[in-house]
Amino acid sequence: DSGVTQTPKHLITATGQRVTLRCSPRSGDLSVYWYQQSLDQGLQFLIQYYNGEERAKGNILERFSAQQFPDLHSELNLSSLELGDSALYFCASSPTSGTGTHNEQFFGPGTRLTVL
Amino acid sequence: GQNIDQPTEMTATEGAIVQINCTYQTSGFNGLFWYQQHAGEAPTFLSYNVLDGLEEKGRFSSFLSRSKGYSYLLLKELQMKDSASYLCAVDRNFNKFYFGSGTKLNVKP
Repeated sequence: DSGVTQTPKHLITATGQRVTLRCSPRSGDLSVYWYQQSLDQGLQFLIQYYNGEERAKGNILERFSAQQFPDLHSELNLSSLELGDSALYFCASSPTSGTGTHNEQFFGPGTRLTVL
Repeated sequence: GQNIDQPTEMTATEGAIVQINCTYQTSGFNGLFWYQQHAGEAPTFLSYNVLDGLEEKGRFSSFLSRSKGYSYLLLKELQMKDSASYLCAVDRNFNKFYFGSGTKLNVKP
């Protein structure tokens, strides 16, 4: 158990819909990262937040957005869902911002999203 | 993603040694991570290299050559539970993390 929690564990929805995935980082960790893992593309970095502010952006679509709240939990919002958005979404946390430091990330169990 | 290459699959025997290679584009390099991921589970951290050389941690070691854009993960005394995917990840331009597609390791008795 990494100490990172994600809800829900599974989510089934239809194309065109909007969903929100939630992540609570390990106690004391200030950074939260979001990743998408699909069968044909491996683990894709989406976005990082540090202490409430966006710190780095990866391959995140405009239909997707995220935020980190004052209590440090984070939400990933996926809208206008398409079949290709079906994937496992992981959240990870780390204690630091990562700039110039060893930035080990602890991954949550993931949310499996199925778009029908 | 971002030209991080690893073999797709490898097979080794219980008790043996296996080396999993990773090559990457060197631009913006700020560190390299290895993660282990069992099927359907979250990745777990194995090692981190930012300077050239070998980092040893029990049965696992990781090597880095920054000038060559090359790393390897060495697993010794293989156990059946080591059957998993091994992901190489590069921290590029601080906090942009790019993962390879992973190497699926099959350990046979």
